[in-house]
Amino acid sequence: KQEVTQIPAALSVPEGENLVLNCSFTDSAIYNLQWFRQDPGKGLTSLLLIQSSQREQTSGRLNASLDKSSGRSTLYIAASQPGDSATYLCAPDGSGAGNMLTFGGGTRLMVKP
Amino acid sequence: EAGVAQSPRYKIIEKRQSVAFWCNPISGHATLYWYQQILGQGPKLLIQFQNNGVVDDSQLPKDRFSAERLKGVDSTLKIQPAKLEDSAVYLCASSHGGVITDTQYFGPGTRLTVL
Repeated sequence: KQEVTQIPAALSVPEGENLVLNCSFTDSAIYNLQWFRQDPGKGLTSLLLIQSSQREQTSGRLNASLDKSSGRSTLYIAASQPGDSATYLCAPDGSGAGNMLTFGGGTRLMVKP
Repeated sequence: EAGVAQSPRYKIIEKRQSVAFWCNPISGHATLYWYQQILGQGPKLLIQFQNNGVVDDSQLPKDRFSAERLKGVDSTLKIQPAKLEDSAVYLCASSHGGVITDTQYFGPGTRLTVL
């Protein structure tokens, strides 16, 4: 059974800092890994999807890396802004039928002006 | 394109009562998911439909939870009878289906409080 851990559970930083959010998973047999953002009282929004054959994926100020063999992924946020405040969740996609995500507990990020 | 719609947004019930949630996925999406998200935790998959067939319901507490997807479009999730530990946000998501790089699109969720 896949288990996903995200460290840190919460993070508070001043605006402008570069951040690294960590995700580890126990079963390396995955098709891909996704990073999501969740704002309070809202659903999840997909930020990045890294296929198992890729090492990293970039979108604007976000960069996600994947080391499948060691069961680790990191999300790098450059020049953080108050609008980045949210909970960030990682979810490896298991090698079963269809698109099966196992979510970590998330990292709650607060960026202070 | 319209997103995933869910209703109601909030529901408060007493334990042992029944409750139902409704989800309308993005048009054309074959796959529909129901997740349970307890406060402070990540979402946990309850059931996955491909069109109107169940792909996975291994984590659905079948003694009290049921779900259906009529005509492969809308879906309802029912809890009967509810327990205190069912208090959570119930998220519906949909995706095209059948592609390894598929992306799930989530609705805003229904926040259930069981008293």
